[in-house]
This record gives sequence, structure tokens and C-alpha cells, in this order.
Amino acid sequence: GENVEQHPSTLSVQEGDSAVIKCTYSDSASNYFPWYKQELGKRPQLIIDIRSNVGEKKDQRIAVTLNKTAKHFSLHITETQPEDSAVYFCAATGWNAGNMLTFGGGTRLMVKP
Amino acid sequence: DTEVTQTPKHLVMGMTNKKSLKCEQHMGHRAMYWYKQKAKKPPELMFVYSYEKLSINESVPSRFSPECPNSSLLNLHLHALQPEDSALYLCASSQGTGGPTEAFFGQGTRLTVV
Repeated sequence: GENVEQHPSTLSVQEGDSAVIKCTYSDSASNYFPWYKQELGKRPQLIIDIRSNVGEKKDQRIAVTLNKTAKHFSLHITETQPEDSAVYFCAATGWNAGNMLTFGGGTRLMVKP
Repeated sequence: DTEVTQTPKHLVMGMTNKKSLKCEQHMGHRAMYWYKQKAKKPPELMFVYSYEKLSINESVPSRFSPECPNSSLLNLHLHALQPEDSALYLCASSQGTGGPTEAFFGQGTRLTVV
């Protein structure tokens, strides 16, 4: 089955700096890669996703890049703000996994004012 | 409406109790999921229903029993739980057709087994 590794497990940045979180996956058949943000005590919420036919996707301060050959994808947050502080989970899935999400271990992002 | 609603928000139960968690969505999604999340860990998949039929059971102990009465509702029946079952239980739904799509999560039920 799919295996997703996520790094780093914790990340502390100064407000205004950029943050990068990286994930690798094992199953070359995976074709959908969402990123979820989970604030303390709340539900995971999708912030951005990318499909395997695209190399990069941007939404305001958030971008995701995908390297299918190397089987890794990354989340980039620019101009970080204190409200970006949360746990971020990457995930991967595809047709052969029945579209079930396999999550990475999570990254706790702390943005210091 | 892009909400998945779970009840109750919090539940404390003894090891001999029987209780049920409920989940509802009105987005027309045909796939619904139960996840278990321990503190500082990612969600772990427990069950998947596709078109109201159980399609995935990730070797979950029989003290957890899922039920999908119709396409909008998902229940998780709990019986004879152990303290290590204390966790956040998340329900989610997705379209279930045409390839992988966003999974929408409910706010979860915080379960404590005493």
C-alpha cells in the first residue's frame, strides 16, 4: 500500500518568513495529493490539492509543487502570519487505493509574531 | 451546504456502556468514512462506505460497529470499549465518483473511555 513520509515534524518561523513542508510517497499510481490544515481542537480542512497531471498550483500565499519522478510534493507558505500556526498534513491517494487517503505524520507549524 | 455534522461533540463512556456516534452530510456525497485520531497523530482510517455499502474495514476491533442507514447518514456504534480507544473520531465524506476528490471532515467527537 501507499506510504507517505512528511518532514519536518515541527517548524518554527518568524512572521513574514516562508515555510516549506515536504512529503514523499511510495506508490507511483497515486494521482491526488491534498494538504490539510488542522487547528487545535478543530477538524482537518483542505487548503490546497494537486493532481498528477500538474506540476505546481498556487492559491494566494500557498503553493504546492509535485515531482512525480522523485515521488515528492511540497507545500510552500509565503508571508506567514500567526493564524497559519496549525498542524499540516499531506496525503496521497489514487484509483488503486480506492481513493482512500494515506496521511503523512503531520507538521506542527508555529509562526512567531 | 459543505458541512459534515457530527454528534455528539464530546462523549464520556464507561467500558460497559453502549453508545453511538452520528454523522450527517447533505452534499450528495456517496463515500463516507470514519477515522480515529490520537493526539499529535494523523487520522487513521477505520471504515469506508461507498454507495451505502461497507467497502473498507481496516481490521478494526468488533467493539466498533459502523452503520450507513442511507446516503446522508453514518453511524458508529460503540460497545465494551477500552481506555485506549479514547480519541477524536472524525467522520468525512467525498463525492465517491469520478476519481479522488476533496474529503470534507466533520468537527469530530472527542471520546473518553473511563
